[in-house]
Amino acid sequence: GAVVSQHPSRVICKSGTSVKIECRSLDFQATTMFWYRQFPKQSLMLMATSNEGSKATYEQGVEKDKFLINHASLTLSTLTVTSAHPEDSSFYICSARAKGVVGGYTFGSGTRLTVV
Amino acid sequence: DAKTTQPNSMESNEEEPVHLPCNHSTISGTDYIHWYRQLPSQGPEYVIHGLTSNVNNRMASLAIAEDRKSSTLILHRATLRDAAVYYCILSFPGGGADGLTFGKGTHLIIQP
Repeated sequence: GAVVSQHPSRVICKSGTSVKIECRSLDFQATTMFWYRQFPKQSLMLMATSNEGSKATYEQGVEKDKFLINHASLTLSTLTVTSAHPEDSSFYICSARAKGVVGGYTFGSGTRLTVV
Repeated sequence: DAKTTQPNSMESNEEEPVHLPCNHSTISGTDYIHWYRQLPSQGPEYVIHGLTSNVNNRMASLAIAEDRKSSTLILHRATLRDAAVYYCILSFPGGGADGLTFGKGTHLIIQP
C-alpha cells in the first residue's frame, strides 16, 4: 500500500533556530501533500496544502513566512519551522493524497517538535 | 464542511465488540463517511469508509443509518491495540482537493 515516510520522528531545538521536517511518499507519486499540527490533547489542524511545483496554500492564521513548505518533487515535501519558539512545540504530521488508495489519504508517522 | 459529532470517550473490555457512534445530520448526498484512527504518538490511519450501504473489511464494519444522518463503527472483538482516538470524517472517497477536517474524535479505552 501507499506509504508516507516522515523524518525525524522527534527533534529538540533551541529557540530561534530552524527545523526541517521531511515527508516522502515511498511507492507512489504524491501531487498533493498536506501538513497538520496537533497540540497535546487536541485534534489535528490543517496548516497547509502543497502541490508539486507550486506555492503552498496556507490555512487562515498560519504564518507562511514562519512555516516554509517546499514540494519540489512528486515524492518529497518539506516543512521548515523558521525561528522556532516554545509555542511552536507540537506534533507535526504530513499526509499525501494517493490515487487508488482506499480512503484516499495516507499519513506519515508524525514529528514531535520540542523547542527549548 | 459538514460536521460530525462523536462522544468524547468510550470504554470497553478486551475481546468484546465495540460500537462507536457518529452523528452527521447535515451530510450531503455526495459525502462519504470515513473513519480514521490515531494510535498514541502516531499519524492517523484509515479504517473504513462508506456511502449508503454497510461495509465490512478486515479491521471493522461500518453501519450507516438509512437516512445517512448517523453511522456506527463496529470493532467486532476489541484488543488492547485498538486503543486509539477514532475520527469520523465526511469526505470524497478518493480525497478532494482539500485535506481532511478532523473533529475531536472518540478516545477509545480498552480494559484488559
